[in-house]
Amino acid sequence: AQSVTQLGSHVSVSEGALVLLRCNYSSSVPPYLFWYVQYPNQGLQLLLKYTTGATLVKGINGFEAEFKKSETSFHLTKPSAHMSDAAEYFCAVRSGGGADGLTFGKGTHLIIQP
Amino acid sequence: EAQVTQNPRYLITVTGKKLTVTCSQNMNHEYMSWYRQDPGLGLRQIYYSMNVEVTDKGDVPEGYKVSRKEKRNFPLILESPSPNQTSLYFCASSEAGAGEQFFGPGTRLTVL
Repeated sequence: AQSVTQLGSHVSVSEGALVLLRCNYSSSVPPYLFWYVQYPNQGLQLLLKYTTGATLVKGINGFEAEFKKSETSFHLTKPSAHMSDAAEYFCAVRSGGGADGLTFGKGTHLIIQP
Repeated sequence: EAQVTQNPRYLITVTGKKLTVTCSQNMNHEYMSWYRQDPGLGLRQIYYSMNVEVTDKGDVPEGYKVSRKEKRNFPLILESPSPNQTSLYFCASSEAGAGEQFFGPGTRLTVL
């Protein structure tokens, strides 16, 4: 079975500071990895994904993530936080066994301090 | 516009009263799935379908049923809802093998 661990249920940063949201996964096969964002009272929106190829992946809204196989990590970063980045962020790994379902982490609530 | 729609968006019901949450996608996706989101637990998969008439259990299927009679629709059925099924429910779809899933806006269900 695959699993995802997101370190920190809440992360607070100042506006303009670096955003770092941590994600570690376990997988018995090469994983597909995803970061989704959920704004209040909305559904999930894909930020970025890693499937194969380049390990540094760029997404929307200035976010990027790096797949590090040796560390089984897929941390999400953004150089400069904006107030509009306040949201819930979910890391997910694609399930094995031919079922294309996602296994999600428990989420990290990002708080932006003015 | 490519989208996944769910209805209703909000529902308050009582224990034991059967209900159905509809889900429809207009992207001709083979794969559809239902998740529930609970505070501190993230999203957990309830059921999924890899194509018409092909469905299977996810991680938390107890108390739920699904059907996939048409490619675009994947309703979630609660035959006898209980308070522990109070949650936020999301439907999602994707092409087979693509991995990236597109999510509906969510249905907030309260069972009294």
